[in-house]
Order: sequence, then structure tokens, then C-alpha cells
Amino acid sequence: DAGVIQSPRHEVTEMGQEVTLRCKPISGHNSLFWYRQTMMRGLELLIYFNNNVPIDDSGMPEDRFSAKMPNASFSTLKIQPSEPRDSAVYFCASSFYGGGNEQFFGPGTRLTVL
Amino acid sequence: DAKTTQPTSMDCAEGRAANLPCNHSTISGNEYVYWYRQIHSQGPQYIIHGLKNNETNEMASLIITEDRKSSTLILPHATLRDTAVYYCIVRSLRDDKIIFGKGTRLHILP
Repeated sequence: DAGVIQSPRHEVTEMGQEVTLRCKPISGHNSLFWYRQTMMRGLELLIYFNNNVPIDDSGMPEDRFSAKMPNASFSTLKIQPSEPRDSAVYFCASSFYGGGNEQFFGPGTRLTVL
Repeated sequence: DAKTTQPTSMDCAEGRAANLPCNHSTISGNEYVYWYRQIHSQGPQYIIHGLKNNETNEMASLIITEDRKSSTLILPHATLRDTAVYYCIVRSLRDDKIIFGKGTRLHILP
């Protein structure tokens, strides 16, 4: 199995630029989660989808952040405009729908905003 | 907010059993105890979960006290590759979300 695939693995951009992070969940999984990890705040859930529908976006920090899941095999997290405080590792995870199921995490995207 | 309390860090000698404690004194009757770990520069990885009975799999054992207010994750023969941050999480089967706390940073010493 390929596991959860994220791209790019590393992204360096300048403040004010648009950033798009991509995620391909494990085939057959129907829940998808976006997390952000920083030294100061640890691992935070930003948003999650069930069957391509956003269920809880309460963790999305600001309107500059948006996430979409146009189909079961693809999701994006977009930051526009980006700011230096958005620098973090962004993880995508997927699971079978239903509470308590094991989440499988991708390798993460390390974002640096200069 | 995380519902668990864990030591910030622990050391364990290679080849010995690593015992990682977790307090969850406010756990509800329908909530399970989950453990994940995060090896440096990787995404978190599921280890094990349990409700009230002790559980064992190929990675670890989970011992939950009778009152369910605390638990211990046991790595029976720790190796250097077990160096990671270990997260104890309380979660019901109705919860899609995982709320991660700060975890325990486990150092396996050669």
C-alpha cells in the first residue's frame, strides 16, 4: 500500500504568496484530516472531512486558510496570503469513516514562509 | 484540551522494557485509551488502544487500571528505533477527531 501521500514534502515561500498543500488518502478511506504541528502549539487538528464533506473546521486559524476535498482521492489545504507564523509541518491523515478508527498519517509537508 | 497527563520525557536502556504512564482521571465510561507515537520527522503512528481490559499486539502492551483512571504502555524490549514522542489519548468511538496533548518524549539509550 502506498499510504497517505502528501506533496510537496518541503515548501519555501515568501510572505504574501499563495501556498497549496496536497493530500491523497489511502484508497477506500472516507475520512480525511488536516493537522498542523509547531514547537509552540504541538499537533493541532485544522479540519476534517467525512465522505468528502467538511465536518469540523473549528481548528482552521483564519480565513486565510481553506481546505477542499473535490473527490475521495484528493484534498487540498490552501493558505492565501501566507505569513511567517504559518511556518509549520502540515500533516494529512485518513481513516475509515466511524469514530475511534485508526488514523494513518502522511509524511507531512514542511512549510517555511519567509 | 487533552484529557490526559503524561511525563514530559523518559529514558530507557536499550533491551529493557519501557513503561510509559498516563493519567486520565476524568475518563468517561464510553471512552477508550489510545496510544500513538511520532518518530522524528514522521507522522504519528497508531500503536494500540483499549477500554478496560489489558491489550497486547505486536508492538506493545497496554495495561489499564481497574478504575480506568490511569494506564501504562509497555514496550517489552525497547530498541533505538523506539525513540519517539508517545501520545496517550482518550477518545470515544463516536469521536472522529483525535486531540493530541504534548506526549512523552522517550529516549532509548544504547
